[in-house]
Amino acid sequence: DTGVSQNPRHKITKRGQNVTFRCDPISEHNRLYWYRQTLGQGPEFLTYFQNEAQLEKSRLLSDRFSAERPKGSFSTLEIQRTEQGDSAMYLCASSFGGTGDEKLFFGSGTQLSVL
Amino acid sequence: AQSVTQLDSHVSVSEGTPVLLRCNYSSSYSPSLFWYVQHPNKGLQLLLKYTSAATLVKGINGFEAEFKKSETSFHLTKPSAHMSDAAEYFCVVRQAGTALIFGKGTTLSVSS
Repeated sequence: DTGVSQNPRHKITKRGQNVTFRCDPISEHNRLYWYRQTLGQGPEFLTYFQNEAQLEKSRLLSDRFSAERPKGSFSTLEIQRTEQGDSAMYLCASSFGGTGDEKLFFGSGTQLSVL
Repeated sequence: AQSVTQLDSHVSVSEGTPVLLRCNYSSSYSPSLFWYVQHPNKGLQLLLKYTSAATLVKGINGFEAEFKKSETSFHLTKPSAHMSDAAEYFCVVRQAGTALIFGKGTTLSVSS
């Protein structure tokens, strides 16, 4: 168990640029989640995958955001035409199970700063 | 819709004294509730979870929480604080489906 890995750890970009983050879950975990956390707030759910299928999306996930998990392993989160309000910590988590009550394992996150 | 309210944004205790972090929840049905901890520069870690079994739930590192339906509360406690307990704590409710809804967090400070 090497844990959930997220890359990059930090990303600084200019407004209007596109950015992509990668998450490598714990192997054999069938579920993968994306959350966003801003300073002083708890993580906010964005979307989740079961294997390669994206099963749930938050209304927070505007059309500028897209997430993929093409082979049911790693996932990418892309933000197009970034805005300053997108500045946040983007967290990935994975789990194994089907009830929704299983333990989530979180990565250390990707800190995005939009200038 | 499900939600949680953490009643204190910051709690300060002395090492060796009890810890109480308060959480109230709102749910239209029997909820699944969790406490997660976030240490600086580390990923979120599950402390404990309640899923309609025993109302007193024991977690890691000596923490426990009691589910009280009549009070819609799920407070986190520890008999004796340790310096290593200083962190951000999140009360979490599972929304219908699988999304976890996090509270805003409580920062726990422990002084020697």
